[in-house]
Amino acid sequence: TQLLEQSPQFLSIQEGENLTVYCNSSSVFSSLQWYRQEPGEGPVLLVTVVTGGEVKKLKRLTFQFGDARKDSSLHITAAQPGDTGLYLCAGSSGSARQLTFGSGTQLTVLP
Amino acid sequence: DAGVTQSPTHLIKTRGQQVTLRCSPISGHKSVSWYQQVLGQGPQFIFQYYEKEERGRGNFPDRFSARQFPNYSSELNVNALLLGDSALYLCASSFVGEGYEQYFGPGTRLTVT
Repeated sequence: TQLLEQSPQFLSIQEGENLTVYCNSSSVFSSLQWYRQEPGEGPVLLVTVVTGGEVKKLKRLTFQFGDARKDSSLHITAAQPGDTGLYLCAGSSGSARQLTFGSGTQLTVLP
Repeated sequence: DAGVTQSPTHLIKTRGQQVTLRCSPISGHKSVSWYQQVLGQGPQFIFQYYEKEERGRGNFPDRFSARQFPNYSSELNVNALLLGDSALYLCASSFVGEGYEQYFGPGTRLTVT
């Protein structure tokens, strides 16, 4: 069974601070996706990383895929209250490309 | 273009009853996946369908079943509901090709009493 562990589980920071969320596994994934989810809504895709060592930037968000394609990180610079939400990483594998999700990081950015 | 749509939005059922949830994928997407998200956890994979055939199944009991129609919409059925089936049920569609990126609907909140 493939597992993805996310850390930290909860994170509360002040507006303007930087933060990093980690996603680790002992399994290799074909690709890894990061989602953000608001309460009562479905996850919204932020980025997909495919190549080991790949780094993608989306405004103040930087995503990195580990060289061995087993881990990933999400770094947010100068966090804003609008960044508040549940951040989920999900690894894609198998012929069905099913997603294995981490348990999520609940981020709260205080004004 | 419209995103993934799901119906109903909320549903309350009693233990032992049966429920059917519906999903319409993004136009042009032929693959639909179902996930269960229990409060405080990440979504768990239930099924994937592509071109009306089951392509993957997660670790869920046989009480869970699904199907995909010629227009690529899908239904998830759950029989003999248990309290533990209370969750947000998410549908995701994808264009089977490079990336296999999955786009989620808003979900159906099922409460079993």
